[in-house]
Amino acid sequence: SSELTQDPAVSVALGQTVRITCQGDSLRSYYASWYQQKPGQAPVLVIYGKNNRPSGIPDRFSGSSSGNTASLTITGAQAEDEADYYCNSRDSSGNLWVFGGGTKLTVL
Amino acid sequence: EVQLVESGGGLVQPGGSLRLSCAASGFTVSSNYMSWVRQAPGKGLEWVSVIYSGGSTYYADSVKGRFTISRHNSKNTLYLQMNSLRAEDTAVYYCARISYYYDSSGYNDAFDIWGQGTMVTVSS
Repeated sequence: SSELTQDPAVSVALGQTVRITCQGDSLRSYYASWYQQKPGQAPVLVIYGKNNRPSGIPDRFSGSSSGNTASLTITGAQAEDEADYYCNSRDSSGNLWVFGGGTKLTVL
Repeated sequence: EVQLVESGGGLVQPGGSLRLSCAASGFTVSSNYMSWVRQAPGKGLEWVSVIYSGGSTYYADSVKGRFTISRHNSKNTLYLQMNSLRAEDTAVYYCARISYYYDSSGYNDAFDIWGQGTMVTVSS
C-alpha cells in the first residue's frame, strides 16, 4: 500500500503564511484532501480536489499540488487554526485510502 | 441536517467481538461511499474500510479478515463488525461519508461528513 508523508510539526507567527506539505506516490494519480482536527473533536474537511473549500471554510485555506507533493497553505494564520492537519488520498491500487501521519500546527 | 452518529463502542477483551453502528440522517447511506476511520490514542488517523454504493467492500491490511463493513438500507445505518480484537485495535472509530465527483481535473473524492466517534478499548 502507498504512504503519505507529512512533517510532524510546523509553527507560524500569527497573521503569517504557512505551508503544510504531503508527499506520496499516489498523489501523482489522485488529488489530496485535507482535514483539520482539534483536540477531542472529529476531523473536518478543509480542502478537496484541485483547490476546493467546503462551505464554511475560510478562504485563507488553499490547496495545490505538483508531482508527488500536495500542499495546504494558510494565508494569514489565525489562533483558531492551531490544530492537527491530515492529508488523504486513494492509494495506488485505487480501492484503498491512506492518511498522512499528520502535522501539528502551532500558531505563535 | 446531514449527520452521522456512531454507537457501540466499549471495553472488550482481546479475542472478543464488537459491532459498531453509524446512523445517518439527511442523506442515504446506500447511495454513497461510506467508510470507517480510526485513531489510536495520541496517534494519527488510519483508514479502516469502505463500502461502495454498489456494495463492494475493501479493507486496510491491518483489519482484513477480522472486520466486516456492512449497511442496513432501511435503517440507513452503517456497521462495522469487529472480530478477533487485539490491543492495537484500541482507538476512536469514526464513520465518514466519502463524496466523489468529476470536474475538469478528473475524479475527486473526500471524506466530507464525519461522526463524533466511538471509543473501542481492547484490554483484559
